[in-house]
Amino acid sequence: AQSVTQLDSQVPVFEEAPVELRCNYSSSVSVYLFWYVQYPNQGLQLLLKYLSGSTLVKGINGFEAEFNKSQTSFHLRKPSVHISDTAEYFCAVTPLNKLIFGAGTRLAVHP
Amino acid sequence: EAGVAQSPRYKIIEKRQSVAFWCNPISGHATLYWYQQILGQGPKLLIQFQNNGVVDDSQLPKDRFSAERLKGVDSTLKIQPAKLEDSAVYLCASSLGQGGYNEQFFGPGTRLTVL
Repeated sequence: AQSVTQLDSQVPVFEEAPVELRCNYSSSVSVYLFWYVQYPNQGLQLLLKYLSGSTLVKGINGFEAEFNKSQTSFHLRKPSVHISDTAEYFCAVTPLNKLIFGAGTRLAVHP
Repeated sequence: EAGVAQSPRYKIIEKRQSVAFWCNPISGHATLYWYQQILGQGPKLLIQFQNNGVVDDSQLPKDRFSAERLKGVDSTLKIQPAKLEDSAVYLCASSLGQGGYNEQFFGPGTRLTVL
């Protein structure tokens, strides 16, 4: 069975500091990988996705993620966060055309 | 381009009552999804439509949940009767096709509270 593990439920960080949100997955088949962001009382918005090719993927709002097949990881990074990045972040995979989400990581950016 | 529309945004009902949610996907999107997001968890797929046909409803509690997309455009999700554990945000999403590489676009969700 496929699953997604987001290792941190909450990540507090100061403004302008770097951040990494960790994501590991398990799957018996090849997958596509996604990161979504959810702001309070809003739906999910795609940050970035890995389908194939370069393992370093750049997304919106200065975020990037690196696919590591041997470690089955897809960690999300940003070199300098802003207060506006405070939100819930979800890692997701699609084996067999079905999106499977992790439990989410709440990023709290403090001034 | 208009996004995915959902209504109502909030609903409070008592257990054993019935409730219905409505979703209008992005124009031209053939695939429509309903997700349940319980507080503190990631969204879980309830049902997936391709045009007006069901592709996957394996996680839909069919004894109380039903969904339809009769004309292949908008969709309704119904719960009858509701239980306390149905309290969640119900998200609708749509995509151009059902391939896993397709980006899913999400609506703002309907927050259901069952008392």
